[in-house]
Amino acid sequence: NAGVMQNPRHLVRRRGQEARLRCSPMKGHSHVYWYRQLPEEGLKFMVYLQKENIIDESGMPKERFSAEFPKEGPSILRIQQVVRGDSAAYFCASSPTGTSGDTQYFGPGTRLTVL
Amino acid sequence: SQQGEEDPQALSIQEGENATMNCSYKTSINNLQWYRQNSGRGLVHLILIRSNEREKHSGRLRVTLDTSKKSSSLLITASRAADTASYFCATAYSGGSNYKLTFGKGTLLTVNP
Repeated sequence: NAGVMQNPRHLVRRRGQEARLRCSPMKGHSHVYWYRQLPEEGLKFMVYLQKENIIDESGMPKERFSAEFPKEGPSILRIQQVVRGDSAAYFCASSPTGTSGDTQYFGPGTRLTVL
Repeated sequence: SQQGEEDPQALSIQEGENATMNCSYKTSINNLQWYRQNSGRGLVHLILIRSNEREKHSGRLRVTLDTSKKSSSLLITASRAADTASYFCATAYSGGSNYKLTFGKGTLLTVNP
């Protein structure tokens, strides 16, 4: 059973470009979470999605950031017009249900560098 | 908002010694989880302890939870060089939005061979 997959693992963008980060949850998991980790910091919750639905995006910046989890295909975190402050590691996690008793399994992360 | 905070921020020990890391949080929780992160890598889930549990074991790991003090500890016995990593506690709030994990900044453990 493959774990959570994320790609690309490393992404370099210039200021003003768009970044697209992809996440495929573990097989059988329909709940996906995105977290951001700034250097020397813990992870911060960004958004929680189920298939075709955004459940909670309270941790996501209001502008330039969006997320989706279509019926088919991976979840996508999209950052438009990137700025240097967006440089961070972005982790995706998945769980079989959305309850707090679930373990969230994390992917290897995408490290975004904005030049 | 609640926040898990690990203590110490960094810990350096010799192989074979035990390592103890602590985590404090601020509000009531459903469960607390410990994760390990090797440098530049993803997070590996170690153990989950529910709010009605006081102690849990998994191999060389022992986790305790004291909800009255809002604290948890992770003990790694007979440490190995391969245990070198950052360790994070993450809490799931007991109120609404309990799927959100709140992470501390982590403890960087170095096990010297």
